[in-house]
Amino acid sequence: DTGVSQDPRHKITKRGQNVTFRCDPISEHNRLYWYRQTLGQGPEFLTYFQNEAQLEKSRLLSDRFSAERPKGSFSTLEIQRTEQGDSAMYLCASSPPGTSGSSSYNEQFFGPGTRLTVL
Amino acid sequence: SQQGEEDPQALSIQEGENATMNCSYKTSINNLQWYRQNSGRGLVHLILIRSNEREKHSGRLRVTLDTSKKSSSLLITASRAADTASYFCATRVYGKLTFGQGTILTVHP
Repeated sequence: DTGVSQDPRHKITKRGQNVTFRCDPISEHNRLYWYRQTLGQGPEFLTYFQNEAQLEKSRLLSDRFSAERPKGSFSTLEIQRTEQGDSAMYLCASSPPGTSGSSSYNEQFFGPGTRLTVL
Repeated sequence: SQQGEEDPQALSIQEGENATMNCSYKTSINNLQWYRQNSGRGLVHLILIRSNEREKHSGRLRVTLDTSKKSSSLLITASRAADTASYFCATRVYGKLTFGQGTILTVHP
């Protein structure tokens, strides 16, 4: 399978614990995005990378959240001191290089997500 | 925060009927995209319409865009049970996508 993969698919943790999620984008996709989706809502943007550079962070990304993409390939999203409000589906997406005029530049390919439950 | 609102929130139809979903947004955009999400699966890109386009077709999908009203619609013709899913519009401004709340479509066989 050459799509976006995420690990783990499910994570249950206790409040106050730290969790880390991993995303492997499609090979050669230089842009990588993180979104969060709660039940009944659309995904909300968290942050995105172009290669290893983190270009934008949402205000939703509090100090407890940190994302990295050290070698411009896979990315990790860490949540420290988890809270019950962090319970959600965390989605990763990637997109290939290109110009703003090309369709491939604009389409984002999503992984299956990591469902986090904070007890 | 969510960029836009989708209408209706839920839609239930019979196989073979057409389904129309509407989306409104708030800011200027580069393009607007529609995605589908099946239960337990990731989001799949369906179609993209640029800000200077008014209508676009792809198979059984037809999307329209009215930038003066900041609204878009997605029409699925001759629906199938396999079209049952949540449908989201998403606007792109620079890198990120901003999604609406989605329409849950149920197609009964």
